[in-house]
Amino acid sequence: GAGVSQSPSNKVTEKGKDVELRCDPISGHTALYWYRQSLGQGLEFLIYFQGNSAPDKSGLPSDRFSAERTGGSVSTLTIQRTQQEDSAVYLCASSARSSWDEQFFGPGTRLTVL
Amino acid sequence: SQQGEEDPQALSIQEGENATMNCSYKTSINNLQWYRQNSGRGLVHLILIRSNEREKHSGRLRVTLDTSKKSSSLLITASRAADTASYFCATYSGGYQKVTFGTGTKLQVIP
Repeated sequence: GAGVSQSPSNKVTEKGKDVELRCDPISGHTALYWYRQSLGQGLEFLIYFQGNSAPDKSGLPSDRFSAERTGGSVSTLTIQRTQQEDSAVYLCASSARSSWDEQFFGPGTRLTVL
Repeated sequence: SQQGEEDPQALSIQEGENATMNCSYKTSINNLQWYRQNSGRGLVHLILIRSNEREKHSGRLRVTLDTSKKSSSLLITASRAADTASYFCATYSGGYQKVTFGTGTKLQVIP
């Protein structure tokens, strides 16, 4: 594809519901990252995939958060039993081989938990 | 303070002036990258400087890296209104290339 895409662009959910966020990286990119950005804040690293494996899950804030990547391509970030503090923009990025390369970011998913 | 802190947090200048932003970090790095985020969401990569480099240029951008002081600076020369954005440094370190973004500098260029 032309760039990293994310869906949905906006998601409003009720507290306690589960949500699934999707990221389609640039074709051929082996590295994929998830970040969270609260309003006016910097980026908070969540998880990093190299291929289908996640060597670094250290940023996941709680066991309600999980992510997977299949076929070395699409990734989904799942948040179970959402809380209001989960409200943020969730950004996905991919890079050709590793984090030493330039990261290309998607437009993000704005999650609002009511 | 956290890895990759930028200062100032906010900067307002007149069009045509130069803007300088600084980034400090704590651990050894493999490389450091600067990104721009316009109002909205996506970040755009600006420039990458490796740990064995001291200075790098790209158009109106100049980045310096001082590994002894664990700091980097981003200089934007002859600023334009379109440069108004938030600027983040990202440090890359560790065997599995852990990446940490700073808190950002919000730049406003007044026409």
